Amino acid sequence: SAVISQKPSRDICQRGTSLTIQCQVDSQVTMMFWYRQQPGQSLTLIATANQGSEATYESGFVIDKFPISRPNLTFSTLTVSNMSPEDSSIYLCSVRPTDNYGYTFGSGTRLTVV
Amino acid sequence: EDKVVQSPLSLVVHEGDTVTLNCSYEVTNFRSLLWYKQEKKAPTFLFMLTSSGIEKKSGRLSSILDKKELFSILNITATQTGDSAVYLCAQSLSGANNLFFGTGTRLTVIP
Repeated sequence: SAVISQKPSRDICQRGTSLTIQCQVDSQVTMMFWYRQQPGQSLTLIATANQGSEATYESGFVIDKFPISRPNLTFSTLTVSNMSPEDSSIYLCSVRPTDNYGYTFGSGTRLTVV
Repeated sequence: EDKVVQSPLSLVVHEGDTVTLNCSYEVTNFRSLLWYKQEKKAPTFLFMLTSSGIEKKSGRLSSILDKKELFSILNITATQTGDSAVYLCAQSLSGANNLFFGTGTRLTVIP
C-alpha cells in the first residue's frame, strides 16, 4: 500500500489566518482526496485533487475557502483560508493505490482555531 | 439521508469479550464496503468486502458482507484494551472515486 506523509501533525491558529497542509505520497497516484472530520463526526470529503486540472469540490466546500494544489502525481496541498473556530477539525488526505486495496490515509492534521 | 449507518454508536466492553459492530449501506451503485480503525487521527485499513458471504479474517478480527440484506458486520473476539478505537465503515460506489463514511462506532475496552 502507499505511504503518505502529512504535515503539519497539528497546529493552533488565530482566526482570520490561513494554514497549508501538505501530503507527500511514496508512489504516483492519479487522484488524491481531502477529507475533514469535525469533532465527534465522521469523515466528509472536501475535494478530489487531480494532477493537471482544478480540484473537484463537494457541495458545501468552495475553492476560495479551501484552495488545493496538485503540482505532480505524488504531492498535494490543502489550504484552509480565513479560518474561524468552526474550521477546527482533523484534516486528512487519502489515496487509492490499487483497485484491490483499501484507500490509504495520511497521518492527519489536527487544526484548532482560536 | 446518510448512505452508511453504523450501530451501535458506542460500546463499552471488558477485556476478553466478543463484540459485533454493524454497518448498513445503500445498494445503488455499490462497489465495495470497507472497514477502518481510527485510534487518533488517521484511519487504518482493516478490510475491503466486495462479495457476499465470504468472511475476511485478520487475527481476532473478521468481517462479512451480506449483499442481500445490505449490511456488514465486524467481529472482534477476545478484545484487548488496544482495540479501543472508533471503527468506521465506508462504502465505495461505482462512478465515484471517494468513500462515503458512516458515523463510526466508538469501542472502549476496559481491563
